[in-house]
Amino acid sequence: DVKVTQSSRYLVKRTGEKVFLECVQDMDHENMFWYRQDPGLGLRLIYFSYDVKMKEKGDIPEGYSVSREKKERFSLILESASTNQTSMYLCASRVSGANVLTFGAGSRLTVL
Amino acid sequence: AQSVSQHNHHVILSEAASLELGCNYSYGGTVNLFWYVQYPGQHLQLLLKYFSGDPLVKGIKGFEAEFIKSKFSFNLRKPSVQWSDTAEYFCAVLRSGGYNKLIFGAGTRLAVHP
Repeated sequence: DVKVTQSSRYLVKRTGEKVFLECVQDMDHENMFWYRQDPGLGLRLIYFSYDVKMKEKGDIPEGYSVSREKKERFSLILESASTNQTSMYLCASRVSGANVLTFGAGSRLTVL
Repeated sequence: AQSVSQHNHHVILSEAASLELGCNYSYGGTVNLFWYVQYPGQHLQLLLKYFSGDPLVKGIKGFEAEFIKSKFSFNLRKPSVQWSDTAEYFCAVLRSGGYNKLIFGAGTRLAVHP
């Protein structure tokens, strides 16, 4: 089975801190995605990457950036965390051209 | 705005009751449709999907969904729910072409009481 691993399940950070959320997949998938999940809003796409060093903005990219230096790793960066970025962050991956995503377990971030 | 709408945010049922969760989308053209489920403390996982062909699709754990193109709907059904079906359910739509972004609805929290 494809495994999508998010290294941090729970993080607590302070306003203004730089935050890195890491995601690694082990099946050589080209496409990777970062979503945030909020009650009543579902999952909203932040950024996605179609291949190494490629990135595209999703629907809510403001306040975030990403890095894809290696195929298996897709990092989400909060340059200066704010309280409205308190959320559950989900990483997902898929083979290029496929329609089904495989999700990680999520990283719950609290910004104080 | 183009969107995916799930009509019920919270549903409470007793075991053995029938379930129907509504999902409507507003995209024209060819779409792929999905239902994902998230059990408490677990990963989001695929429940079922529709790409083409028979509009009635069957998924895992006795769930099914019907694609009605004229109504832009993809409702999820189960004839008899179990306590273990307690979870959050997300409808999602993938538009063909472009970057194939998966767009999710807001989710429906289902609680099944024994």
